[in-house]
Amino acid sequence: GQQLNQSPQSMFIQEGEDVSMNCTSSSIFNTWLWYKQDPGEGPVLLIALYKAGELTSNGRLTAQFGITRKDSFLNISASIPSDVGIYFCAGQRFGNEKLTFGTGTRLTIIP
Amino acid sequence: EAEVAQSPRYKITEKSQAVAFWCDPISGHATLYWYRQILGQGPELLVQFQDESVVDDSQLPKDRFSAERLKGVDSTLKIQPAELGDSAMYLCASSRGTGDNEQFFGPGTRLTVL
Repeated sequence: GQQLNQSPQSMFIQEGEDVSMNCTSSSIFNTWLWYKQDPGEGPVLLIALYKAGELTSNGRLTAQFGITRKDSFLNISASIPSDVGIYFCAGQRFGNEKLTFGTGTRLTIIP
Repeated sequence: EAEVAQSPRYKITEKSQAVAFWCDPISGHATLYWYRQILGQGPELLVQFQDESVVDDSQLPKDRFSAERLKGVDSTLKIQPAELGDSAMYLCASSRGTGDNEQFFGPGTRLTVL
């Protein structure tokens, strides 16, 4: 099935660094969600976005709904070891349509 | 904090055997979803329930997969017979209603078919 494109595919950073990742689509979306998944666990909802241009924060995480409605961005400030995992975006184009998930960005913190 | 419960967490089976997974959504959540997640990919929807009714099962391989939510609360996903390609993580999620986009996931069942 269709999946959203996430970039980068993987990131290797040092503790304390800021992180930026994005999610793009060829279609317009009305809702963007960001999830984090730890190995062997289910995804955990981090942030939900509902309006173009919307900027929403959850602690050190900030996500934005792109103005074109075809992309979304997630930033993590001052990364810590527990930020390690795979980050997935998910989007919904309209009403009751199912969520489409991204390909994921794997975040690794180098000691 | 309310959570989605799934069992078992891990299942190893031989091909051609039957397997079943169970999910108990967050209390009061009317919509329940079953997803399959292949290693290295995002989850893909298999079936969606609104209360006890199937809303979307277009991606469910109906020759071998079945799902039910008889009383509109907990749900069972079955595979019979299992094939090698069914090895994956099976995730259950729930939301307050069909129009509510915020889906909350359970811990998943990791299936290995030998």
